[in-house]
Amino acid sequence: EPEVTQTPSHQVTQMGQEVILRCVPISNHLYFYWYRQILGQKVEFLVSFYNNEISEKSEIFDDQFSVERPDGSNFTLKIRSTKLEDSAMYFCASSESVPSYGYTFGSGTRLTVV
Amino acid sequence: KQEVTQIPAALSVPEGENLVLNCSFTDSAIYNLQWFRQDPGKGLTSLLLIQSSQREQTSGRLNASLDKSSGRSTLYIAASQPGDSATYLCAALDSNYQLIWGAGTKLIIKP
Repeated sequence: EPEVTQTPSHQVTQMGQEVILRCVPISNHLYFYWYRQILGQKVEFLVSFYNNEISEKSEIFDDQFSVERPDGSNFTLKIRSTKLEDSAMYFCASSESVPSYGYTFGSGTRLTVV
Repeated sequence: KQEVTQIPAALSVPEGENLVLNCSFTDSAIYNLQWFRQDPGKGLTSLLLIQSSQREQTSGRLNASLDKSSGRSTLYIAASQPGDSATYLCAALDSNYQLIWGAGTKLIIKP
């Protein structure tokens, strides 16, 4: 069964550093998403991406964050100048032509900012 | 603004029992509702997806129902097993195509 692949599975970074989280969505999916889950809290929407541009973003997704689809397969989340409160599990997801058909999530990247 | 609530927050039952997990949402304008399983420190595994036009979906020992008018969904697990122990999350796809998540029910099945 097709999978969404995320790398790395765990990243530790120093406060103030930039990190790039990588995702390979399912090949025929057209919509891509990033969600995050701070330990012990609900999963939160960050951003959705369609047709090479952001379609929706939450209040969390401020200028510190950016997304990119640098080639035909990868979808990245960049976090600039990381803060302690950015420590969370970050999930990438993708969906087919119609998002209501359901999402497939990756296994997540655990980001620890020290 | 859509809000999703799951009750109970935690549940512990003996192996073999049937159980029901509850999920409620405040805005009935949803495209679908999805149930996920999350093991500690792990990713999100999709279990069942119910479209807004559907009433229920079944997969093996799992059955999920949806009642949009009352803003409720349930996940029924039959003949529970220790391997079912995990956190179960429900998420509603809202009118902006954003998944709005509940806080989850932590399920422990005692052998």
